[in-house]
Amino acid sequence: DAKTTQPTSMDCAEGRAANLPCNHSTISGNEYVYWYRQIHSQGPQYIIHGLKNNETNEMASLIITEDRKSSTLILPHATLRDTAVYYCIVRVEGSSNTGKLIFGQGTTLQVKP
Amino acid sequence: DADVTQTPRNRITKTGKRIMLECSQTKGHDRMYWYRQDPGLGLRLIYYSFDVKDINKGEISDGYSVSRQAQAKFSLSLESAIPNQTALYFCATSQGGRGRGVYNEQFFGPGTRLTVL
Repeated sequence: DAKTTQPTSMDCAEGRAANLPCNHSTISGNEYVYWYRQIHSQGPQYIIHGLKNNETNEMASLIITEDRKSSTLILPHATLRDTAVYYCIVRVEGSSNTGKLIFGQGTTLQVKP
Repeated sequence: DADVTQTPRNRITKTGKRIMLECSQTKGHDRMYWYRQDPGLGLRLIYYSFDVKDINKGEISDGYSVSRQAQAKFSLSLESAIPNQTALYFCATSQGGRGRGVYNEQFFGPGTRLTVL
């Protein structure tokens, strides 16, 4: 599985968009990009995933570059409750996939009033 | 009610004691996982199970064992607890089978904080 690189920490003003980058330069063609977050020692929570196209759901948007070597998670209007550690994970799909997630250290997002 | 529950939520024990952490789910998922998290670090996979008869070791299985008693229950045991097993333990579930992205949307329990003195 491709490794990911994320900034250790970021700040964002409440109400503003939070843009969290992730580098996955060794990603292969059949690997998806997943984002999870963990709010202060709670269980991680799935946010969004994508392969090639940009994706949007009720929580966030995922922008994947054309070469797929990097992506950005966008929280459009960050609130204090979005303060959390955000994990970017790449995983292969298909019959050989075990479903295991490999968590790095993630980005600690601090949303400030 | 929570879809994935873990018991106990907190436990303090002594070195050498046998400990069992339990996980139950009502999501009807085939796959279940046990992770541990140490302070300031991401989660690491201990064991995972695709169904009742399928148990697999993860990255850090030494010192741990598991039991999949039923589709909905997956227990983690520390046969002889040691202090470096002090950590936050998470159980997770996911849907089995094919489909876009279904493997990796995992649903996590609230965690068990274990302290080994």
